[in-house]
Amino acid sequence: KQEVTQIPAALSVPEGENLVLNCSFTDSAIYNLQWFRQDPGKGLTSLLLIQSSQREQTSGRLNASLDKSSGRSTLYIAASQPGDSATYLCAVSYSGYSTLTFGKGTMLLVSP
Amino acid sequence: NAGVMQNPRHLVRRRGQEARLRCSPMKGHSHVYWYRQLPEEGLKFMVYLQKENIIDESGMPKERFSAEFPKEGPSILRIQQVVRGDSAAYFCASSPPFFSGATYSYNEQFFGPGTRLTVL
Repeated sequence: KQEVTQIPAALSVPEGENLVLNCSFTDSAIYNLQWFRQDPGKGLTSLLLIQSSQREQTSGRLNASLDKSSGRSTLYIAASQPGDSATYLCAVSYSGYSTLTFGKGTMLLVSP
Repeated sequence: NAGVMQNPRHLVRRRGQEARLRCSPMKGHSHVYWYRQLPEEGLKFMVYLQKENIIDESGMPKERFSAEFPKEGPSILRIQQVVRGDSAAYFCASSPPFFSGATYSYNEQFFGPGTRLTVL
C-alpha cells in the first residue's frame, strides 16, 4: 500500500525566509507527483506537477524536485511572504489517469 | 475557461437523510475524481469516473455511497441515510482526455472548491 508522508506537519517562519517542505513516498514507481496549496475552508490549487522522467519544475518562487530512487520530493519556497501561509499537499499517481494518493500536508505560517 | 464547479458549497443534513453533491468538470475534461477529506485527515480517493462509466470505485464505502457521471450534466455523488461520520469536505477533480491536445500535463488534476457536508 502506497503511503505518502510530509514533514514537517507544521512550520512557522518569519517573512523573507527560504524554506523547504518534504514529501516521501513508499513506492518509487510513480507516474507523476503534484504539489498543491490549500487555504482554510477552500479547495486545492495545483502548484507544480513533476512527471516521473523529470527532476524538477519551477514556477516563480517555487521549485519542486523529485528523486524517484529515494522516494522523495521537496518543495522549495524562496523569499516567503505572508500570502504563502496555507497547507501544502503532496500527491502521487501511478499511471496516466490513476487516482492521487495524498500526504496529510504541511501547514505553513509566514509571519510579517 | 471556468474551473471545476461544485454545488452546493455547504450542505447540512440530519441523520438518515440523503445528500447529493454535484460536480461540473472543466470544459473539455472527461475524467472526474471524487475525494473526501475527513477532519484532521488527508484527502482520500473515493471514485474515478468517465462519461457513463465508473472506472475505479475502490475507495468508495460499500454501502450508502454511489456516484454517476451521465452523458449530459454534472457528476453526482450520492450518500444515502447519512450518519455523523459522513461529515467531511468532498472534493471533485477533473482532468482532460488523453488526446485532447491540451497544454496541461497528462493526468494533471484540477480541483473544485469542495462541498462541506455537516450531518446533525
